[in-house]
Amino acid sequence: QVQLVQSGTEVKKPGASVKVSCKASGYTFRNYGISWVRQVPGQGLEWMGWISDYNGKTSYIQKFQGRVSITKDTSTNTAYMELRSLISDDTAVYFCARGQGFDHWGQGTLVVVSS
Amino acid sequence: DIQMTQSPSSLSASVGDRVTITCRASQGIGNSLAWYQQKPGKVPKLLIYAASTLQSGVPSRFSGSGSGTDFTLTITTLQPEDFGTYYCQKYNSVPFTFGPGTKVDVK
Repeated sequence: QVQLVQSGTEVKKPGASVKVSCKASGYTFRNYGISWVRQVPGQGLEWMGWISDYNGKTSYIQKFQGRVSITKDTSTNTAYMELRSLISDDTAVYFCARGQGFDHWGQGTLVVVSS
Repeated sequence: DIQMTQSPSSLSASVGDRVTITCRASQGIGNSLAWYQQKPGKVPKLLIYAASTLQSGVPSRFSGSGSGTDFTLTITTLQPEDFGTYYCQKYNSVPFTFGPGTKVDVK
């Protein structure tokens, strides 16, 4: 069965970076893009960016440009999202999700930014 | 970028009611629209993709319609387990923007 398994909770200080992983199994990893979605506590879903299946091209929303990097390792079927220069407003649950029309999601990773 | 709006932002309905949620895109997106249900503390669940195609395993009381800029999610007979927040999302091209959500409470 298709699974996306994310890395665990992270606690970071302001100004630090965090790298969250998303390991895929149960399907052909190279056939689907991976998006990252974040959800600040009590708020809605926010699409951050993705890495495409076709050519590995990345796209990010303007809000995170220069501060986020999405990568993938096809040898381990793992996607990564790195967010730099963390601020307290980055405290959120971060999800990875498959494809377009997200039929499978990771379980979410809580990132807490606090001094 | 294309903006997504939803209405209403919240609603309260009784078991058995018909519920309709509207999603609007600021520009045409064809039928590249998905609907998700999210319950508190849980991962979002895909209900509908391609505007009107029911995801496998989703009850048939859920349906979607629309194309271009205007879309609708309908729950024909609301059940107690249908509480949660519903989001639409465009995926015709990046960014794959979500709507702001509609919170559904079951009376």
